[in-house]
Amino acid sequence: GAVVSQHPSWVICKSGTSVKIECRSLDFQATTMFWYRQFPKQSLMLMATSNEGSKATYEQGVEKDKFLINHASLTLSTLTVTSAHPEDSSFYICSASRTGLNGYTFGSGTRLTVV
Amino acid sequence: DQQVKQNSPSLSVQEGRISILNCDYTNSMFDYFLWYKKYPAEGPTFLISISSIKDKNEDGRFTVFLNKSAKHLSLHIVPSQPGDSAVYFCAASGGNQFYFGTGTSLTVIP
Repeated sequence: GAVVSQHPSWVICKSGTSVKIECRSLDFQATTMFWYRQFPKQSLMLMATSNEGSKATYEQGVEKDKFLINHASLTLSTLTVTSAHPEDSSFYICSASRTGLNGYTFGSGTRLTVV
Repeated sequence: DQQVKQNSPSLSVQEGRISILNCDYTNSMFDYFLWYKKYPAEGPTFLISISSIKDKNEDGRFTVFLNKSAKHLSLHIVPSQPGDSAVYFCAASGGNQFYFGTGTSLTVIP
């Protein structure tokens, strides 16, 4: 149980285009979902926290107009990278908060390459 | 299907003793493994990693052991300190995807 599905797992896009990444909780309701960016051998950088039905809370330094987050239902949150640039190339991971001791289930990540 | 499992949701250890956190995986194609540490209200912090060509990697008080035949990974912390109290996640990668365990909450008792 407690599976989070992230899609797509790998995407290549042209500079200037937008890319949408989906994060779904398959067998539980996630009132809160988190979006992270991962650089090689570094910590997961929290980008934003999204709560179902309300606006996302962005961490300092994260451009909210560039990284659009929508959490329209208890099982789906989306991250849209708008007007992508090569420097946005990275690994993006979502996680969902669930009731439980540790409270986190992670998606398997999306590798974005902007060319 | 959970490809990375941490079967112990919690662990308590006395300060100064060894903490051993375990992680099992199912996919033999995984070739890179990581441990993260997470404090409440913060993102996971990268702790230590190991590639499949090694069976041990040490960094200060932290040592990760990899047993490929058993598909088992463990993190040893010695000596354990109260500041080590956190949730520890293991993760495995094979190619473009990372698979995380569900975490083990470590409490180090002073």
